[in-house]
Amino acid sequence: QKEVEQDPGPLSVPEGAIVSLNCTYSNSAFQYFMWYRQYSRKGPELLMYTYSSGNKEDGRFTAQVDKSSKYISLFIRDSQPSDSATYLCAMTLYNNNDMRFGAGTRLTVKP
Amino acid sequence: EAQVTQNPRYLITVTGKKLTVTCSQNMNHEYMSWYRQDPGLGLRQIYYSMNVEVTDKGDVPEGYKVSRKEKRNFPLILESPSPNQTSLYFCASSLKPTGQPFTQYFGPGTRLTVL
Repeated sequence: QKEVEQDPGPLSVPEGAIVSLNCTYSNSAFQYFMWYRQYSRKGPELLMYTYSSGNKEDGRFTAQVDKSSKYISLFIRDSQPSDSATYLCAMTLYNNNDMRFGAGTRLTVKP
Repeated sequence: EAQVTQNPRYLITVTGKKLTVTCSQNMNHEYMSWYRQDPGLGLRQIYYSMNVEVTDKGDVPEGYKVSRKEKRNFPLILESPSPNQTSLYFCASSLKPTGQPFTQYFGPGTRLTVL
């Protein structure tokens, strides 16, 4: 079993839809949870991070962490074609250099 | 402009021919790392470096070497490449090591094919 599981998709939605991206994990010691966005032929860029359980909102993006279920989500409201990318979840222990990534979900938002 | 650069961006080579992928950052970051990205497996860490002359293995270090002689540079060396090292490689740097609030900056990637 992988330490971090993420549905690779692909996921295709119409412009304006609400998108839900999810990851599950097995290591209950993870403390920091991140979402990266990776455009085609580019390196990943950090989109959001959260510490422990709870929600965090940044514009059209909301990150949720449910540590009791070992489940994290990224919601994108009013999705735009420019949101088309691969989204990677990542997580790490507190004060640790070892980051674990999901396989990434490829999202396409159609105009 | 703050950035991480990698060279070359694309490389096709043959089994056993030593190669080096360079990585350089202009943000004075202490922490740098190398990842490989493979379909269905996501990003896996190869090596990381906490500072000059301080390096350590990540998840998949076999077949790779690194060095950190200067703060800005962190080359990845494949002394005898094999076809299973065909992958997309990313270098990354950050001001603080992962596990604390941080931003990890990734380079544009190097696509390596070993025949």
